[in-house]
Amino acid sequence: QVQMVESGGGVVQPGRSLRLSCAASGFTFSYYGMHWVRQAPGRGLEWVAAFYGDGITKEYADSVKGRFTISRDNSKNTLYLQVNSLRAEDTAVYYCARDLGWWTLDFDSWGQGTLVTVSS
Amino acid sequence: QSALTQPPSASGSPGQSVTISCTGTSSDVGGHNSVSWYQQHPGKAPKLMIYEVNKRPSGVPDRFSGSRSGNTASLTVSGLQAEDEADYYCSSYAGSNNLIFGGGTKLTVL
Repeated sequence: QVQMVESGGGVVQPGRSLRLSCAASGFTFSYYGMHWVRQAPGRGLEWVAAFYGDGITKEYADSVKGRFTISRDNSKNTLYLQVNSLRAEDTAVYYCARDLGWWTLDFDSWGQGTLVTVSS
Repeated sequence: QSALTQPPSASGSPGQSVTISCTGTSSDVGGHNSVSWYQQHPGKAPKLMIYEVNKRPSGVPDRFSGSRSGNTASLTVSGLQAEDEADYYCSSYAGSNNLIFGGGTKLTVL
């Protein structure tokens, strides 16, 4: 069955970096757009970044543009999010989510999330 | 872009129907068909319930339905069941390759 498992979260000081990973299985990874969505503690969902199914196009929310970089390795069925210059407001559970297709912005499968806490 | 506007809470008794609204603008909810709804139970990942305004993914009960009027989308849950108690989020394409979510609605089954 379709499964995504995120890893790489943790406690990090402001200004530092982390790389989040999302290992996917149960589907042809390269065919699908993949996204990162985050949720601050007790708050709502926020779309962060997308890597379309064309294998080329990447998009970012304005709040993370220039600090976060999404990438994917189709040979390893893995999605990444490099998060730099972390701020307190980046504290959240980060979910990877599969697009319904190449790029529909509908997410039909989600991982369990990885928690990033930015604190000194 | 600003978040879509949802009521913070909604409630209904078992068997009743409840409707949750999601208000945006002509640049998002009213201007695109990429309007979706997600259900999230505490401590769990969200689950897609409705996409493209009114389509249900396979496995989602037909008690869940979506609609739109102007700049407001709605999720209706009919025949409320205890397991429907959860947070519900709407989302919409907002142009310029951006997606925005609503603030979420906590649905309580009385």
